[in-house]
Amino acid sequence: DGGITQSPKYLFRKEGQNVTLSCEQNLNHDAMYWYRQDPGQGLRLIYYSQIVNDFQKGDIAEGYSVSREKKESFPLTVTSAQKNPTAFYLCASSILQADGYTFGSGTRLTVV
Amino acid sequence: AQSVSQHNHHVILSEAASLELGCNYSYGGTVNLFWYVQYPGQHLQLLLKYFSGDPLVKGIKGFEAEFIKSKFSFNLRKPSVQWSDTAEYFCALGSDNFNKFYFGSGTKLNVKP
Repeated sequence: DGGITQSPKYLFRKEGQNVTLSCEQNLNHDAMYWYRQDPGQGLRLIYYSQIVNDFQKGDIAEGYSVSREKKESFPLTVTSAQKNPTAFYLCASSILQADGYTFGSGTRLTVV
Repeated sequence: AQSVSQHNHHVILSEAASLELGCNYSYGGTVNLFWYVQYPGQHLQLLLKYFSGDPLVKGIKGFEAEFIKSKFSFNLRKPSVQWSDTAEYFCALGSDNFNKFYFGSGTKLNVKP
């Protein structure tokens, strides 16, 4: 079955450490996105990529980095510069944005 | 600036009650509007979408939404809710060039059996 796989489902990180969240899709979608979901704030766009080797900052990119070396993969690194990293992170993809997104199941990151 | 507002943060209804969730947007270009649903422990799923044409859009599971341009609104409705509709609902706006989606803060719906 085609879809988006995010791993791990739960992740714990010590303060000061970088951590990378995985997002893989086998839908042959061109565009991929990373969102952060916080209670009462909805989804906020971190980074997005429309094609391989190209990506753009979203609304809250500070403290995050991404890469898009392959069409199928769009990993997100939460760096130690991110002041409030504890959140639920959602990856999404689309072939034509007008059709809407397909979402992954998310990764819940907790900084301890 | 583009934005999406959902004013109802938490709605509690009994089964068979009618539902209307508000969504207002601010955007200067051509609007593409969506409603997504997130059932407990599950992925976000697309409920329905509006691009153009008939402003009354029908989606899955008996949901519908009406685009009212003069009110900048895209409210979600269902005539009779079920316990299985308990979920969080997000309104979203797609930008002109489809580079970005803007999401509202979400509405948690709790349907009492």
